[in-house]
Amino acid sequence: GENVEQHPSTLSVQEGDSAVIKCTYSDSASNYFPWYKQELGKRPQLIIDIRSNVGEKKDQRIAVTLNKTAKHFSLHITETQPEDSAVYFCAASGDSSASKIIFGSGTRLSIRP
Amino acid sequence: NAGVMQNPRHLVRRRGQEARLRCSPMKGHSHVYWYRQLPEEGLKFMVYLQKENIIDESGMPKERFSAEFPKEGPSILRIQQVVRGDSAAYFCASSPIIRQGWSVDTEAFFGQGTRLTVV
Repeated sequence: GENVEQHPSTLSVQEGDSAVIKCTYSDSASNYFPWYKQELGKRPQLIIDIRSNVGEKKDQRIAVTLNKTAKHFSLHITETQPEDSAVYFCAASGDSSASKIIFGSGTRLSIRP
Repeated sequence: NAGVMQNPRHLVRRRGQEARLRCSPMKGHSHVYWYRQLPEEGLKFMVYLQKENIIDESGMPKERFSAEFPKEGPSILRIQQVVRGDSAAYFCASSPIIRQGWSVDTEAFFGQGTRLTVV
């Protein structure tokens, strides 16, 4: 089955700097890669996703890149702000109604003022 | 659309009791996932259900845990004879699984979770 690995587990960046979180996946059949943000005590919320027919997607300060050959995908947050502090999860899912969504172990991002 | 509704938000059970966690998916969503999150850890897949059908339960412990999603009513995650190690946040997510050509739209929307504490 699918296995998703996520790095780093914790990340601290200065406010205004960029943050990058990286994930790898094992199942070459996976073709949907969402990213979720979870604030303390709250539910995970979808912030951006990418499908395997594109290599990059951007939404304001957030961008995701996908390298299907290497089975890597990354989340990039630019001009970080205090409200970006949270735990971020990457995930992967396949192309069938029987495909479950498998999550990475999470990255705790802290923004230093 | 009220979103994914989970209840109760907090549940305290003594060792050996049963815990029942409920999840009502978003309107129009026919698929439900259950995940367990231990403190400071990630989301561990437990089970994936369609109405009246378990699609994948590979993440669910073989004993004491069961899940259902009946034709009418919410999805239920049931834990029998709870132990302290069952203490965790249990999240439910739902998705529409709309097949569009070569791919499916599988965005999963999460409920607020049920925090189970076993004392």
